Amino acid sequence: AQTVTQSQPEMSVQEAETVTLSCTYDTSESNYYLFWYKQPPSRQMILVIRQEAYKQQNATENRFSVNFQKAAKSFSLKISDSQLGDTAMYFCAFNPTGTASKLTFGTGTRLQVTL
Amino acid sequence: GAVVSQHPSRVICKSGTSVKIECRSLDFQATTMFWYRQFPKKSLMLMATSNEGSKATYEQGVEKDKFLINHASLTLSTLTVTSAHPEDSSFYICSAGDIGYGYTFGSGTRLTVV
Repeated sequence: AQTVTQSQPEMSVQEAETVTLSCTYDTSESNYYLFWYKQPPSRQMILVIRQEAYKQQNATENRFSVNFQKAAKSFSLKISDSQLGDTAMYFCAFNPTGTASKLTFGTGTRLQVTL
Repeated sequence: GAVVSQHPSRVICKSGTSVKIECRSLDFQATTMFWYRQFPKKSLMLMATSNEGSKATYEQGVEKDKFLINHASLTLSTLTVTSAHPEDSSFYICSAGDIGYGYTFGSGTRLTVV
């Protein structure tokens, strides 16, 4: 069974600063997908970024980037130039490659962006 | 991109009654949909996997007779909470899509049983 661990229940960052959210996972699979989802106060789950395990290059989406360390089973999210709208719950998620397979979520990190 | 519509967004029902929540894929066909439950400030807990044309697969500890799932078409899955009780009050979310691109989530349903 896969497990996903987010060790930071809450974090705070000032507007325009950079923050990194941690995520580690455990699996015996050799190929899989990793995701970061954002859940703002509206509670709508929004995909932030995805990473395929067989790709060594770290994924980047505008101000969001990941540091994927496959050997260490680590998948951290870096948010640059933080904005007030980034305030949300962030969930790391794992999925083994394959059709219609379910996501395993971490416990989440609550990020507060302050002025 | 893939759009998943979930209705209603909020529902209040009396204890002992049943309530149905709909999850629709608007611009794609979904042979599989997922139903989650989320408690305040907690992560998403997978309840069941809904399979078009066949029985749903429930996670351990989820009561099949209380949480009825029907996936009768490629674009619609429904979750019916039967004989609802206050402890069933929660936030329910569905999802569907292509795992290669990340699943899309519905906007969720806040159920309150009084």
